[in-house]
Amino acid sequence: NAGVTQTPKFRVLKTGQSMTLLCAQDMNHEYMYWYRQDPGMGLRLIHYSVGEGTTAKGEVPDGYNVSRLKKQNFLLGLESAAPSQTSVYFCASSPPTPSYEQYFGPGTRLTVT
Amino acid sequence: LAKTTQPISMDSYEGQEVNITCSHNNIATNDYITWYQQFPSQGPRFIIQGYKTKVTNEVASLFIPADRKSSTLSLPRVSLSDTAVYYCLVGFNTNAGKSTFGDGTTLTVKP
Repeated sequence: NAGVTQTPKFRVLKTGQSMTLLCAQDMNHEYMYWYRQDPGMGLRLIHYSVGEGTTAKGEVPDGYNVSRLKKQNFLLGLESAAPSQTSVYFCASSPPTPSYEQYFGPGTRLTVT
Repeated sequence: LAKTTQPISMDSYEGQEVNITCSHNNIATNDYITWYQQFPSQGPRFIIQGYKTKVTNEVASLFIPADRKSSTLSLPRVSLSDTAVYYCLVGFNTNAGKSTFGDGTTLTVKP
């Protein structure tokens, strides 16, 4: 049971480049989330999904797009990277229970120069 | 958004009990209170959750007063390895986009 995995672990982009971050979970969870964490700050929700084929905006969605074509995968896309998107990105998943217990991946450290 | 307020930092010594309080004045009827722990360069890890009164597991206790406008995470006999950032999160799963983590409490345990 790998839990939540994220690919890649590190990435450096130039301004204007695009990339996709992949999140995969093997726990059959319905809900998945993408967060970003800037140095010394808490996590901010970018987008989330409550099921296959559905996505919704979180607190800071601008500049990002997501897709949930398969239940186990949640993709985060940056179409035109900006230095302000330099951050650590965490993916999480949770079962469809009333509580808010989320399982997090190890993170992707992205630097945009 | 279900907003929470926590102290920015706390210091403690090994072997002491640590209590971290989170204020959540606008908690909704359906909201659960969940606490996470985060070590540097790692994703947050679930510690404990509750709805009302007291919850205890092998790691911590969570105290929630009757009005549910605050909660206290209690860590018994902390060790150096408990040095981490602790986050309080208020919400419930079917309202997934309505909760925020806030900036958390940095706990430093000293020898």
